[in-house]
Amino acid sequence: GAVVSQHPSWVICKSGTSVKIECRSLDFQATTMFWYRQFPKQSLMLMATSNEGSKATYEQGVEKDKFLINHASLTLSTLTVTSAHPEDSSFYICSARLTDTQYFGPGTRLTVL
Amino acid sequence: ILNVEQSPQSLHVQEGDSTNFTCSFPSSNFYALHWYRWETAKSPEALFVMTLNGDEKKKGRISATLNTKEGYSYLYIKGSQPEDSATYLCAFFDYGGSQGNLIFGKGTKLSVKP
Repeated sequence: GAVVSQHPSWVICKSGTSVKIECRSLDFQATTMFWYRQFPKQSLMLMATSNEGSKATYEQGVEKDKFLINHASLTLSTLTVTSAHPEDSSFYICSARLTDTQYFGPGTRLTVL
Repeated sequence: ILNVEQSPQSLHVQEGDSTNFTCSFPSSNFYALHWYRWETAKSPEALFVMTLNGDEKKKGRISATLNTKEGYSYLYIKGSQPEDSATYLCAFFDYGGSQGNLIFGKGTKLSVKP
């Protein structure tokens, strides 16, 4: 139980395009999901908290207009990187909370050319 | 700024060796410490959620201890096997704000040679 899927697992896009990443809780409902980013040799850093049916809460320094989050159902949150630039190339990973544990997806490697 | 430190950064051991590594975290306003095991190309796997000072948890050959007063946790692996090779992450649960969030260390990468 408590499986989180993420799609796609990797994506390469051109600079200026938008990329959507999906995060799904497969066997439980999650009112709250989290989006993290990890740059090389760095720790996972929280970008935003996604709340079902309401606006996401963004961490300081994360542009909400650039990283659009939609949590339309209790099992799906999406992160859209708009007008992606090479500096947005990173590893993006989501998680969903069930009781006192966060369960993670396998992550998405984004490369912006 | 809350800081979570893990050491060593990487570790190479032989199959059968026992090993341990450290996570240090802020000792004030403690709520919970999480340990994860992360194999390449897979999802991080939740190992332990530790909340009580002095607590010790065990899962097979892996165990963890917690000292909230001095702000550290140890993860032990007894009789390491090649399948234990992974990055082990610890995360301090920061209860600030409405939801709280996890503050991660950079991880300890364990390689077990057969």
